[in-house]
Amino acid sequence: GQQVMQIPQYQHVQEGEDFTTYCNSSTTLSNIQWYKQRPGGHPVFLIQLVKSGEVKKQKRLTFQFGEAKKNSSLHITATQTTDVGTYFCAACSQGDNAGNNRKLIWGLGTSLGVNP
Amino acid sequence: DGGITQSPKYLFRKEGQNVTLSCEQNLNHDAMYWYRQDPGQGLRLIYYSQIVNDFQKGDIAEGYSVSREKKESFPLTVTSAQKNPTAFYLCASRVTSVYSSYNEQFFGPGTRLTVL
Repeated sequence: GQQVMQIPQYQHVQEGEDFTTYCNSSTTLSNIQWYKQRPGGHPVFLIQLVKSGEVKKQKRLTFQFGEAKKNSSLHITATQTTDVGTYFCAACSQGDNAGNNRKLIWGLGTSLGVNP
Repeated sequence: DGGITQSPKYLFRKEGQNVTLSCEQNLNHDAMYWYRQDPGQGLRLIYYSQIVNDFQKGDIAEGYSVSREKKESFPLTVTSAQKNPTAFYLCASRVTSVYSSYNEQFFGPGTRLTVL
């Protein structure tokens, strides 16, 4: 079935280093969302990208949606210990019907560890 | 305060017993979802409901059942037919709209089920 591949699965960085996680799909996506799950917590919505080539920033976080709407990335500049957690991408494929019966396709997540 | 509540936070059951996990939301959201998360894994969709009195199977529905008799409630029953029920269960909801591409999902705090 439909899949969204997310890499890497794990990454440990030194505090202050940058971090990037990537999501890739073999089919065109209508949108992509990013969520963060802290250890022991639940996923929390970060952002949604809809337009081809879209770039959005939230402080040290930069989100990109590819021109072909088949891939996306989340980049964190100068990581802090508060960035620790698992980052998930989730998307709807282009062919999904609008409104009813929509469900997200989730990547497996990238777990980020930050050494102080 | 608006939000999603799940109870209990931790649940222990003996093998062979059915158990029902509670999910309540006061966000007035139409759509509700149940996910299962295993250690180091992503989110796998069990069941979802777009409207009261209607629900659809997700990717791993076998051994689970749901009901949606009220808009604000979407309980999940883990039956004895579920072969490996020990996991972290997350409930989510979202607004549905024909005018937007896809609204984000809001998650409850989760229930950690351990079957002994």
